[in-house]
Amino acid sequence: GAVVSQHPSWVICKSGTSVKIECRSLDFQATTMFWYRQFPKQSLMLMATSNEGSKATYEQGVEKDKFLINHASLTLSTLTVTSAHPEDSSFYICSARLAGLNNEQFFGPGTRLTVL
Amino acid sequence: KQEVTQIPAALSVPEGENLVLNCSFTDSAIYNLQWFRQDPGKGLTSLLLIQSSQREQTSGRLNASLDKSSGRSTLYIAASQPGDSATYLCAVLAGNQFYFGTGTSLTVIP
Repeated sequence: GAVVSQHPSWVICKSGTSVKIECRSLDFQATTMFWYRQFPKQSLMLMATSNEGSKATYEQGVEKDKFLINHASLTLSTLTVTSAHPEDSSFYICSARLAGLNNEQFFGPGTRLTVL
Repeated sequence: KQEVTQIPAALSVPEGENLVLNCSFTDSAIYNLQWFRQDPGKGLTSLLLIQSSQREQTSGRLNASLDKSSGRSTLYIAASQPGDSATYLCAVLAGNQFYFGTGTSLTVIP
């Protein structure tokens, strides 16, 4: 299947700093990418939908000024957590949808963010 | 709003047993349903994708069925192995959004 990568796989930062997470579709072009957050023992919660060349669509309750999403190309979307706080510590997962009849969705390996 | 539920939340079986995981969704207007596997601290691995017009899909020891009208899907795992231990998530694509179930944590005991 299609491959989605994320970088970094884990990051530890001090409170107040900003962290950028990259999501790449390695062998296909993704017009739409999705960012999810997953807290321990919970399912994935959609944060935002990222469309190449346009502004991201954020889910209710997700602060767009705190979680900046840039989908600059058909293979790269970035999520920047600005002024991170301990409550932002979570597992962030991106996914990319393979456009076409199947609309199958492929997920990255996730990024573990720990804010001290 | 679409709601996806998985039963049971956790399951332990001895190695070699066949087992069934259940997924239900409230709105039958879906494009497709996917089953995923998630190992601790890892991302999601797609197992099976069933289009809304399909009834089932098979891959190796895995068989997934879909009954869209009743809002149900099952994932059947044959001859379970310790390596099958993981959390299994189902998700439906409706509109432009993926709705995830709550997951079933499976432990296969050697």
